[in-house]
Amino acid sequence: EVQLVQSGGGLVQPGGSLRLSCAASGFTVSTNSMSWVRQAPGKGLDWVSMIFNVGDTHYADSVRGRFTISRDNSKNTLYLQMSSLRADDTAVYFCARVQTGYSGFLDYYYMDVWGKGTTVTVSS
Amino acid sequence: SYVLTQPPSVSVAPGQTATITCGGNHIGGKTVHWYQQNPGQAPVVVVYGDSDRPSGIPDRFSGSNSGNTATLTISRVEVGDEADYYCQVWDSSSDHVVFGGGTKLTVL
Repeated sequence: EVQLVQSGGGLVQPGGSLRLSCAASGFTVSTNSMSWVRQAPGKGLDWVSMIFNVGDTHYADSVRGRFTISRDNSKNTLYLQMSSLRADDTAVYFCARVQTGYSGFLDYYYMDVWGKGTTVTVSS
Repeated sequence: SYVLTQPPSVSVAPGQTATITCGGNHIGGKTVHWYQQNPGQAPVVVVYGDSDRPSGIPDRFSGSNSGNTATLTISRVEVGDEADYYCQVWDSSSDHVVFGGGTKLTVL
């Protein structure tokens, strides 16, 4: 069965750090593009970061320089290292597998498998 | 940065057709995907590639995209379709995933 199992959320003080994990089964993380998406309480979906199967990484402006996406091929696991955390980083964080398609002249990307989410609360 | 605009809410009676729009500058030149999210759960893709459905998604769900508006249409709406719906594109100019603000579908 294809699934993503998340761990690593919790309560952290402003300025602190936290690492989220997303363990995949049923497929190989290293040959797929993967993404992190978050959702603040009562708010909509907010894209955080993506790592392409070839290793390129991209970040939302709000987290660039503070968050790092990575993967451990031996553990088939995706990570999100978060530092300099702020109150507005409080959210449920989802990991997701990214599917790639091609339309017209451009590639497109969407998320077809999602983890259940893990809650990150930044508060003193 | 690229912006996607959705109506905050749409209401429809059971059995009727729900239309949820997603506006963006020349969005017809991009490829749009739609997600359904129930409270406390992860999103589920219901339409990808403008108008394709993943296996297991009823054919009551359909999508279209042209000009400055993409549309998710849900025919013969059921009570179980009540959820939040999000559109999403890949913005190649910024290399960012972009989500719309979401639309809460209420089935009266």
